[in-house]
Amino acid sequence: NAGVIQTPRHKVTGKGQEATLWCEPISGHSAVFWYRQTIVQGLEFLTYFRNQAPIDDSGMPKERFSAQMPNQSHSTLKIQSTQPQDSAVYLCASRDWGDYEQYFGPGTRLTVL
Amino acid sequence: AQSVTQPDARVTVSEGASLQLRCKYSSSGTPYLFWYVQYPRQGLQLLLKYYSGDPVVQGVNGFEAEFSKSNSSFHLRKASVHWSDSAVYFCVLRMDSGTYQRFGTGTKLQVVP
Repeated sequence: NAGVIQTPRHKVTGKGQEATLWCEPISGHSAVFWYRQTIVQGLEFLTYFRNQAPIDDSGMPKERFSAQMPNQSHSTLKIQSTQPQDSAVYLCASRDWGDYEQYFGPGTRLTVL
Repeated sequence: AQSVTQPDARVTVSEGASLQLRCKYSSSGTPYLFWYVQYPRQGLQLLLKYYSGDPVVQGVNGFEAEFSKSNSSFHLRKASVHWSDSAVYFCVLRMDSGTYQRFGTGTKLQVVP
């Protein structure tokens, strides 16, 4: 069990560029969650999927952010036209639907210059 | 509204001393409570969890936490800290009717010689 895998670990983009973050959940886990961590805001929920279907995206910024889960083995978080305020660590977590514990990946540190 | 509060942003203790990190929660239903630890440049790791039953729960590395419904608290304790315990600790709340987890702002623990 390799745990939740997130790639890349670090990404640097210029203002206005697009950033795509990848998450590979633990095999067999049916729920995938995305969080954003900043010093100012702390850890914020963004969105989650169950059995690949989007269930709750109430934490996602209304513009420029989108998430997908095209198959059970990976999810992506895409940020269009990145802005400096998007700089953060983006964490992905997965869990078995029958469990309450989420397993977190190491995160992707996004820096927007 | 459901929320979790960690009143201490930073705590410094001497190696070998006892530790208590405070957590207060607000919920309208049955809370499920967790403590996670985040070491520098790493993802979140679960220390312990409380669902029901014995209010004192044991976790990894000698950590324990006590749930108090009357005080709406879930404080984390350790009898004797080690320098390797230096990290950020998050108290997390999940409602039985909810799906994602709400994170406290975190407490940065520094263990000094």
